[in-house]
Amino acid sequence: DGGITQSPKYLFRKEGQNVTLSCEQNLNHDAMYWYRQDPGQGLRLIYYSQIVNDFQKGDIAEGYSVSREKKESFPLTVTSAQKNPTAFYLCASSIDWGPQHFGDGTRLSIL
Amino acid sequence: RKEVEQDPGPFNVPEGATVAFNCTYSNSASQSFFWYRQDCRKEPKLLMSVYSSGNEDGRFTAQLNRASQYISLLIRDSKLSDSATYLCVVNRVNQGGKLIFGQGTELSVKP
Repeated sequence: DGGITQSPKYLFRKEGQNVTLSCEQNLNHDAMYWYRQDPGQGLRLIYYSQIVNDFQKGDIAEGYSVSREKKESFPLTVTSAQKNPTAFYLCASSIDWGPQHFGDGTRLSIL
Repeated sequence: RKEVEQDPGPFNVPEGATVAFNCTYSNSASQSFFWYRQDCRKEPKLLMSVYSSGNEDGRFTAQLNRASQYISLLIRDSKLSDSATYLCVVNRVNQGGKLIFGQGTELSVKP
């Protein structure tokens, strides 16, 4: 089955620690995106990538980093510089300007 | 003015009711429009794209009014399973596949 897989489903971060969220897709989509959703709020774009080895900052990139070494994979690192990392993180992919399809998300909390 | 603004909700309706959600967008050059559905603590899922001529999918009808920069979603014969948050989504003009998500309108269908 084609789709987007995010892991882990739940993640806990200690103070000063970097953590990496995985996102893999087998839909052969060129574009991939990372969003953050806080309770009762809409999705905010963190980073996006339109093609392998290229990515751009979204609206709230500070404290986050990404890489796009393979078409299928777009991992997100939440660094210790992100002071309020507790949120629901969603990865999505799309063909060109078409609708985006989402993974089932990772919930990150601070220990 | 927000780039995408939705009815604040929540909407509480009985089973079988017809309910309409409204959404306005600020950039008249926007070209792609979508409605997504998000269940509690889950990822958003594409409900339908919105086309200029309006489109229908079973009990769901989407309309676009470019002159008023307004999108609507009509749900007829509401089911309990329609209970969710509905997200209005618009493309970011001249920014590739990037999308702007509204904050969502919550629908609760009661027996």
